[in-house]
Amino acid sequence: AQKVTQAQTEISVVEKEDVTLDCVYETRDTTYYLFWYKQPPSGELVFLIRRNSFDEQNEISGRYSWNFQKSTSSFNFTITASQVVDSAVYFCALSGHGSSNTGKLIFGQGTTLQVKP
Amino acid sequence: EPEVTQTPSHQVTQMGQEVILRCVPISNHLYFYWYRQILGQKVEFLVSFYNNEISEKSEIFDDQFSVERPDGSNFTLKIRSTKLEDSAMYFCASSGLTDNEQFFGPGTRLTVL
Repeated sequence: AQKVTQAQTEISVVEKEDVTLDCVYETRDTTYYLFWYKQPPSGELVFLIRRNSFDEQNEISGRYSWNFQKSTSSFNFTITASQVVDSAVYFCALSGHGSSNTGKLIFGQGTTLQVKP
Repeated sequence: EPEVTQTPSHQVTQMGQEVILRCVPISNHLYFYWYRQILGQKVEFLVSFYNNEISEKSEIFDDQFSVERPDGSNFTLKIRSTKLEDSAMYFCASSGLTDNEQFFGPGTRLTVL
């Protein structure tokens, strides 16, 4: 069975602080994909990143970075120098791969990030 | 930039009524999905659709739910007899391949009274 766990329900930081959102996943697939989505207060789901299970290189995009560690089944997300506009719910998600894969996303419970000025 | 659109943005209905939620996926995408998010909870998979048929559905997607792609552009989710617990945000998503990122629509907030 596939499962995504985001143990942090809510995080509150002050602007300019760095913050890391944790994501731990479970899957029996040898190939899979991991995602992060942002859900701002307006409610839409905004795609942030997709990572293939074969690619364990960390990725940086501006103030965002992702640390993928297969050994611990984790795909953590760090925001450097957080800003008020980063306040949102962040979801980690998992999908499988292969001929039987339909592409469905399994989401974690989400982490609500509040960045205070 | 192409985007997934959904109508209506908010639907209020009485318990027991039928509702149809509409989505227009990105035009060259082949895989279509519906997800549900009860207020304050996680996003849950309902159904995936490919080649004019359901490819996978979750336990939530019972006989009260159906999906259709009636005209090659719209992708609809029908709930035959709504229940109070169907109140949620419903997201449509599409992708070009099953391995690609899914692009989500803005959602339809369904309120069942």
